[in-house]
Amino acid sequence: SQQGEEDPQALSIQEGENATMNCSYKTSINNLQWYRQNSGRGLVHLILIRSNEREKHSGRLRVTLDTSKKSSSLLITASRAADTASYFCATATGGGADGLTFGKGTHLIIQP
Amino acid sequence: GAVVSQHPSWVICKSGTSVKIECRSLDFQATTMFWYRQFPKQSLMLMATSNEGSKATYEQGVEKDKFLINHASLTLSTLTVTSAHPEDSSFYICSARDYTGGPRYEQYFGPGTRLTVT
Repeated sequence: SQQGEEDPQALSIQEGENATMNCSYKTSINNLQWYRQNSGRGLVHLILIRSNEREKHSGRLRVTLDTSKKSSSLLITASRAADTASYFCATATGGGADGLTFGKGTHLIIQP
Repeated sequence: GAVVSQHPSWVICKSGTSVKIECRSLDFQATTMFWYRQFPKQSLMLMATSNEGSKATYEQGVEKDKFLINHASLTLSTLTVTSAHPEDSSFYICSARDYTGGPRYEQYFGPGTRLTVT
């Protein structure tokens, strides 16, 4: 069942601005991952944060995780037109053998 | 990095026919592969977990007799949509987990297969 919920559903910002997307989930998790999907294409793994971590950075990406609130945020700094895509959070509950439960996604549009 | 391929990239078939989609891990062994379905403008939904050498595990609401999964080797899983109907038209994506190296929890996704049933 779908347990992740992202907000906003869609976000349009100017190039160079920062973009923040949020994700909430319902059950206990082992880890939370963020993926990017360009229109009609496959998924690109962006970053994974484990349940015992609170913040993680990768390049222009910053992910936070608050397990007490069952929420995560993805921040993309200094956005570029190429960042235009749909972004999904996905949670894993098991010890590595489970499939992922995806959120509904945020469609991000970067205006040049 | 780990690469997963899918074949075909897109397929159009007539209602009532069966379609087979292949998912291959190209440079690693995958004892477990996953099949997801994505309807237009929606998120991915896990359909089933495919384990090499054993029966697939299907998510609630997914008909195992309609979506046949075979994981005959450590690098190949197939999804066959039997007696396809227009409502089966969707984007099917597979993923594989690499247990031989790299982050244990990371899944590598294929590029997807777009199925259109007319």
